[in-house]
Amino acid sequence: DAKTTQPNSMESNEEEPVHLPCNHSTISGTDYIHWYRQLPSQGPEYVIHGLTSNVNNRMASLAIAEDRKSSTLILHRATLRDAAVYYCILRDGGSGNTGKLIFGQGTTLQVKP
Amino acid sequence: EPEVTQTPSHQVTQMGQEVILRCVPISNHLYFYWYRQILGQKVEFLVSFYNNEISEKSEIFDDQFSVERPDGSNFTLKIRSTKLEDSAMYFCASQRQGRGTGELFFGEGSRLTVL
Repeated sequence: DAKTTQPNSMESNEEEPVHLPCNHSTISGTDYIHWYRQLPSQGPEYVIHGLTSNVNNRMASLAIAEDRKSSTLILHRATLRDAAVYYCILRDGGSGNTGKLIFGQGTTLQVKP
Repeated sequence: EPEVTQTPSHQVTQMGQEVILRCVPISNHLYFYWYRQILGQKVEFLVSFYNNEISEKSEIFDDQFSVERPDGSNFTLKIRSTKLEDSAMYFCASQRQGRGTGELFFGEGSRLTVL
C-alpha cells in the first residue's frame, strides 16, 4: 500500500480555515486519496475522497496537486467539534481490491476557542 | 441516517476466555471489515469479508480470530482464547461496494479489556 506523510499535529483557531497537508509521492494511477477523521473516543469517520480533481462536500474541500503527489484537506471554518485525528489514506481503486483502509498516525488537530 | 451498530460497547473478560463481538452493518452494504485500535496506537486492519468469505486478512488475524455473518444481518468477530494483548477497541465497518471508491462507515466500537 502506498504511504502518506502528514504532520503529527496542527493547531487552529476556531472559525478560521485549516489546511491539512498530505504527501503521497509514491501514489499510483489507480489510488484514490481518502480522508477520514477520528473524534475522541469514536470510530473513524469519512470526510472526503478524490482521484484527480478537487472535491467539495458539506464537511470539507480536497485540493489535489496536479501531479497527485500531494493533497490538502481544507476545513473552511474550524469549530471545536473538528478537533480530531485526521488521516490521509490512499486506497487502490483497481479491480480485485478488497477496499481496506490502512491508517497511519494521522494529524492531530487542536482547535482553540 | 443509517449507521453501523456494535455490541457490546464494553466487555471485560478473563484471559483465555472466548469473546464474541457483534456488529450490524448498514443493510444494503456488501463489504465488511474489522479493525482494532490498541490504546494510544493507530487503527489497524484485521479482516475484510465479502460474499460470505474472508477476502483479506492481516498478520494480526491469526487462528485465534474468526468472523462470521450467520444470519444476513449480524457480522461477528470471535476471539477464541483471549490474551492480554487483545485488549483494544474493535471497530466494525461496512461499505456498499469494494475497491477504492466510496465510503467506509464505522461503528462506535467495542472496547475489550482482558484481565
